[in-house]
Amino acid sequence: QVQLQESGPGLVKPSETLSLTCGVSGYSISSGYYWGWIRQPPVKGLEWIGSVFHSGSGNYNPSLKSRVTVSVDTSKNELSLKLTSVTAADTAVYFCARLGLFYGQIDSWGQGTLVTVSS
Amino acid sequence: EIALTQSPATLSLSPGERATLSCRASQSVSSYLAWYQQKPGQAPRLLIYGASNRATGIPARFSGSGSGTDFTLTISSLEPEDFAVYYCQQRSDWPLTFGGGTKVEIK
Repeated sequence: QVQLQESGPGLVKPSETLSLTCGVSGYSISSGYYWGWIRQPPVKGLEWIGSVFHSGSGNYNPSLKSRVTVSVDTSKNELSLKLTSVTAADTAVYFCARLGLFYGQIDSWGQGTLVTVSS
Repeated sequence: EIALTQSPATLSLSPGERATLSCRASQSVSSYLAWYQQKPGQAPRLLIYGASNRATGIPARFSGSGSGTDFTLTISSLEPEDFAVYYCQQRSDWPLTFGGGTKVEIK
């Protein structure tokens, strides 16, 4: 059974870069699926950030596209997220996830990690 | 961008009752719609994909229907563990989008 685990700083200063990593176990990223990130601001709904195929090609939320990079490292079986120039509005729980290729359903989620943007 | 509107925002029901949740898309998403359940402090859990296919391990009391722009998630008889927030999500077109959620609370 695939498992995903996010890791990274829980506190980031405004204008700096948020960097998170997601370790994947129980499934090889290079075997397929889309892999991506979703976030959830406190007491709010879900927002898709971006997803990439195991080859590295991907899609991003237009509202974040200029600041986001999602990448996969098949040798480490992990994916990463970089979000530049963060503000308080980027404070959220960040989830890494696996997405089905045909229907795009998110069938596996990490437990989520809270990132707070504050000086 | 395809917008998903969920209704009602809150549904107050008692255990054993039937829950009917709605998700409406701003344009057709064919059958590329999924439903998730989220409990406080937890990641969402996939319930339904492809509009009507139950995910692995999901009880038969959960069912999904619809196509195009109008979709329904039905919980035939609410169990205590079903009180949670439910989200719909489309992947007919990028960007992937979510509905705003329906909270099913105990009456």
